[in-house]
Amino acid sequence: SQQGEEDPQALSIQEGENATMNCSYKTSINNLQWYRQNSGRGLVHLILIRSNEREKHSGRLRVTLDTSKKSSSLLITASRAADTASYFCAYTGTASKLTFGTGTRLQVTL
Amino acid sequence: EPEVTQTPSHQVTQMGQEVILRCVPISNHLYFYWYRQILGQKVEFLVSFYNNEISEKSEIFDDQFSVERPDGSNFTLKIRSTKLEDSAMYFCASSYHGTDEKLFFGSGTQLSVL
Repeated sequence: SQQGEEDPQALSIQEGENATMNCSYKTSINNLQWYRQNSGRGLVHLILIRSNEREKHSGRLRVTLDTSKKSSSLLITASRAADTASYFCAYTGTASKLTFGTGTRLQVTL
Repeated sequence: EPEVTQTPSHQVTQMGQEVILRCVPISNHLYFYWYRQILGQKVEFLVSFYNNEISEKSEIFDDQFSVERPDGSNFTLKIRSTKLEDSAMYFCASSYHGTDEKLFFGSGTQLSVL
């Protein structure tokens, strides 16, 4: 399977803490993206990192990419209860297909 | 921000029936996609569509599935004879530059096959 793997599958933290999610993939990629999904609703794009980039920031989000290890991580700093959601990495090698990872369910408690 | 819209939000059908799921992608987008997600599970690629033809399809997208862009605004997914295992949330997505940029997803159609 070309499916990416994410770990942990589930993560529970307290508000204010940082959350780190990891993604591993199996193919060469052009870019890697992270999406958020609230309770089975639509996927919302968070951040995109290209294969020639190693780190990218957007607000409280920090993404790293290590193409030699075929892995990426998403860090959410100073988490809030509203960050509770599932987070998916998705990667592409062609213009035609984005392959999603298995997802991490994040629970942020007060 | 512009949105991808999907209708209906919920669809219940009997096994063996045909269903059509409808999507209105963002107006200037050129690439269109269908994904599905069985409850609580992975998001699976079904098909991508560009320049009025299928660009790529997965093993799931067998002869029972078809896509169409009947006019300049709609993008539909048809399942000819539904099976119980077709029950899932179906997401439509679109983009201007394909997967070189972010995809915009609709809020999904929950299909229940009884």
